Formats: sequence, C-alpha cells, structure tokens
Amino acid sequence: KQEVTQIPAALSVPEGENLVLNCSFTDSAIYNLQWFRQDPGKGLTSLLLIQSSQREQTSGRLNASLDKSSGRSTLYIAASQPGDSATYLCAVRPGSGNTGKLIFGQGTTLQVKP
Amino acid sequence: DGGITQSPKYLFRKEGQNVTLSCEQNLNHDAMYWYRQDPGQGLRLIYYSQIVNDFQKGDIAEGYSVSREKKESFPLTVTSAQKNPTAFYLCASRTVPGDTQYFGPGTRLTVL
Repeated sequence: KQEVTQIPAALSVPEGENLVLNCSFTDSAIYNLQWFRQDPGKGLTSLLLIQSSQREQTSGRLNASLDKSSGRSTLYIAASQPGDSATYLCAVRPGSGNTGKLIFGQGTTLQVKP
Repeated sequence: DGGITQSPKYLFRKEGQNVTLSCEQNLNHDAMYWYRQDPGQGLRLIYYSQIVNDFQKGDIAEGYSVSREKKESFPLTVTSAQKNPTAFYLCASRTVPGDTQYFGPGTRLTVL
C-alpha cells in the first residue's frame, strides 16, 4: 500500500532564506507526483507536477525534483517571502489504473517571518 | 470564470441528520473527486466518478453516498452512519486523460 510522508510537519524561517521541503513515498511505481499549496481554510492550488519519467520541474522560485528509485521528492523554494507562508502538500498518483486517484502526505506548514 | 464551486462554505449538522454538500464545475471535466481533510492530516479519498452515472468508492466511503446525474455536478451526502463527520471536505475535478486535479474552496462540516 502506497504511503506518503512529509517531514517536517512545520517549518519556520526568516524571509529571504532558501528552503527545502521533503516528501517520501513507499512504492516507486508512480505515474506522477504533484506539489500543492493550501492556505488556511482554503482549497488546494497545484504548484508543480512531475511525471514519473522526469527528474525536475521549475516554476518561478519553485523547483521540484523527483528520485523515483529512492522514493523521494523535494520542493525547493528560493528567496522565501512572507507570502509563501502556507501548508505544502505532496501527492502521488499510483502507476496502475487510470482513475486519477491521489495519495497525499500530511503536509508541511511553512511560516516565513518578515 | 471557469472553476469549481462548493456550497455551503460552513455547515452544521445535528447528530442523526443527513446533510448534502454541493460541488459544481464548469470546466467540462469528466472526472470528479471528494476528499476529506482532518487537522494535521493529508487528504483522504471518499468517492470518485470518471463519467456520468458511474462512481466508485475511495478509501473511506463508509457513511457517505454520492450521485453523478450531470457532468458538472457531484453532490456528497454525509449520512448518520458516518460516526465522525466533522472535517473539511474538498471536491476536485480533472479531464480524462489528464494529470492535474483542480480543487474547490472546500466545505467545513461541524457536528453539534
């Protein structure tokens, strides 16, 4: 059974710092992996999606990497800003079937202090 | 504006009552999903539907029911059989085939 883990559960950094959020999964047979952002009491916004054949994706100050063989993904945030404060969730889509089901980690809550 | 709407934003239920959460999308997406989120936890799949008039149970379907009579609508009913329904409920949709799921703003359900 696929399990997704995110460590740490919470992170607090000063503004301007570069940071890395971690996501690990137990079954390497994935179709893709997504990183989402969730603001308090809101829905999820997709940040980056990495296909199983890809190693990384970039969008602005965000860079996501994928190492399928070791079951790990990282989300790198450059030059963090207070507006980056939110919960970041990673989700894997299993490799079998075409249901589109996602399995989520518990999330990392990030606070960027001015 | 294209997107997913969920209503109501907040919902209060007395014990023993059934309640229905609304999810509507105008993205012309084929597949729709219902997730539940508890504090400090990730999302867990309740039900999903890939086509009109068809739906499947997710990982935590007990105490819930759904219908998919129209492509744009996927309501979720929380029945009295659901023992711990207080949670944040999120609806999502995607094209088939397609990769990205788009989420609605959520409904917070509280049992009084």
